[in-house]
Amino acid sequence: EPEVTQTPSHQVTQMGQEVILRCVPISNHLYFYWYRQILGQKVEFLVSFYNNEISEKSEIFDDQFSVERPDGSNFTLKIRSTKLEDSAMYFCASSRDSYRNEQFFGPGTRLTVL
Amino acid sequence: RKEVEQDPGPFNVPEGATVAFNCTYSNSASQSFFWYRQDCRKEPKLLMSVYSSGNEDGRFTAQLNRASQYISLLIRDSKLSDSATYLCVVSHGSNYKLTFGKGTLLTVNP
Repeated sequence: EPEVTQTPSHQVTQMGQEVILRCVPISNHLYFYWYRQILGQKVEFLVSFYNNEISEKSEIFDDQFSVERPDGSNFTLKIRSTKLEDSAMYFCASSRDSYRNEQFFGPGTRLTVL
Repeated sequence: RKEVEQDPGPFNVPEGATVAFNCTYSNSASQSFFWYRQDCRKEPKLLMSVYSSGNEDGRFTAQLNRASQYISLLIRDSKLSDSATYLCVVSHGSNYKLTFGKGTLLTVNP
């Protein structure tokens, strides 16, 4: 069964450093998303991406964040200058169509900012 | 009012019990509704979409009441493997982002 994959599974970084989180969505999916979950809190939407551009972004997704689909398979989230409060689990998700919008999540990257 | 509110839980039930989860949502323009489950420190996994007429998948039954903005999930004959956090999720707007509830933790005991 096709699945969303993410790398790395765990990233530890120093405050102020740049990180890139990588995702490979399910191959025939067209809509891509990033969410995050701070420990003990609910899953929060960050950004949606379709047709090579951002469809919507949340208030969390400020100028420090960017997304890219550099080739036909990868979807990346970059945090330019990490802050302590960026420590969270980051999930990538993809869906085939917007009608049913069933989104399938990757296993996540645990980001720890020291 | 929170966008998606769920029973705070936690629920502790014996194997074989029937357990019900309740959820309300605030945005009447919401278009799609789901139940996901999340195991500890893992990703949310889609359990089932929820349709207006209600739907069933084996031991799981989901109901939607648009007038009351209420969603429910019933698990019958619960198994140890059903132990997880159950997330009520809605989608609204042309961007189709998902909005999650905080989840309800279920522990099924032998």
